[in-house]
Amino acid sequence: KQEVTQIPAALSVPEGENLVLNCSFTDSAIYNLQWFRQDPGKGLTSLLLIQSSQREQTSGRLNASLDKSSGRSTLYIAASQPGDSATYLCAVGIQGAQKLVFGQGTRLTINP
Amino acid sequence: KAGVTQTPRYLIKTRGQQVTLSCSPISGHRSVSWYQQTPGQGLQFLFEYFSETQRNKGNFPGRFSGRQFSNSRSEMNVSTLELGDSALYLCASSGGQSSLEGYTFGSGTRLTVV
Repeated sequence: KQEVTQIPAALSVPEGENLVLNCSFTDSAIYNLQWFRQDPGKGLTSLLLIQSSQREQTSGRLNASLDKSSGRSTLYIAASQPGDSATYLCAVGIQGAQKLVFGQGTRLTINP
Repeated sequence: KAGVTQTPRYLIKTRGQQVTLSCSPISGHRSVSWYQQTPGQGLQFLFEYFSETQRNKGNFPGRFSGRQFSNSRSEMNVSTLELGDSALYLCASSGGQSSLEGYTFGSGTRLTVV
């Protein structure tokens, strides 16, 4: 059974810092890995999608990496801003199952 | 193009009642999935439909059911509501037959059972 873990559960940093969020998964048989952002009471916004054959994806100040063999992904946020405050969720796409398995998320607070 | 649309946004129901939630996927997407989000359990997979066929189902009781119509719109139904069914229900659509294209989520329906 696939399990996804995100560390840390919460993170508070001053504005302008670069930061890394971590995601680990137990079964390397994945289609892809997707990072989402969720604002309080809202739905999920897709940030980056990495296919299992890829090593990283970049969008603006965000960079996500994937090491399938070790079961790890990181989301790097450069030059953090207060608007980046949200919960960040990592989810793996399961081969042959047409579903995502989510981590519990990292609640990020950027202090002005 | 329009995103994933879920209606209604909020619902308050009484224990024992039933409820139907609706999801319209991105135009052209044929896969629709449903997830339940609670503070204690996080996001859990309910079921997935592709071209009106349920391809996968999560570990939820039979009170949770769904269907997909020929226009790819989907509904989920919860019968005999319990207090523990209070949650944010999220719908996601995907363009491909597999999970390769990733998922786009709607804003969710917040269900409160009293």
